[in-house]
Amino acid sequence: GGIITQTPKFLIGQEGQKLTLKCQQNFNHDTMYWYRQDSGKGLRLIYYSITENDLQKGDLSEGYDASREKKSSFSLTVTSAQKNEMAVFLCASRPGGAREQYFGPGTRLTVL
Amino acid sequence: QQKVQQSPESLIVPEGAMTSLNCTFSDSASQYFAWYRQHSGKAPKALMSIFSNGEKEEGRFTIHLNKASLHFSLHIRDSQPSDSALYLCAALSGSFNKLTFGAGTRLAVCP
Repeated sequence: GGIITQTPKFLIGQEGQKLTLKCQQNFNHDTMYWYRQDSGKGLRLIYYSITENDLQKGDLSEGYDASREKKSSFSLTVTSAQKNEMAVFLCASRPGGAREQYFGPGTRLTVL
Repeated sequence: QQKVQQSPESLIVPEGAMTSLNCTFSDSASQYFAWYRQHSGKAPKALMSIFSNGEKEEGRFTIHLNKASLHFSLHIRDSQPSDSALYLCAALSGSFNKLTFGAGTRLAVCP
């Protein structure tokens, strides 16, 4: 079995600050995802990547950048943190040819 | 663009009851339908999935799909307090890459 690790678990930043969230997976999966989950709500796709150095925008990409420098890692940057984007950010991965996604435990973002 | 809607938003049932959760989708070409379960503070985890019309049963859980009515559902038999969680439905259309999730149904099973 594998695991997805997200760091940090809690991230506190100031309004306007640039913040980076990291995700690592040891499944050796090709595709990785970043989702945002507002309190108790569903998941909205921010970015995904089908292979190293590939980036695809999701429905909620404005205000975010992403980076996939290695197959095993996928980073998300909040370019200018706003109070209305306090949420849990979930990373997921999926093996090629399968549809099921495997999720990490999330990073909870608080903006002061 | 695919739209996925869930009902109800929240549900409280007594232990031992049958629970039914509903999901509608907008893209009639959707090929894959799944339910994920997320316990409080934990990662969402895939529970069940289905590809074609009909039913699929795994233990106490049954998934039912009716593509003509753009509807699928999850039924939990003999609901347990440990089933209390946020249930997310998801549908896939187009490439394998993008699952569209619903907003979730929060289930509480009371002993």
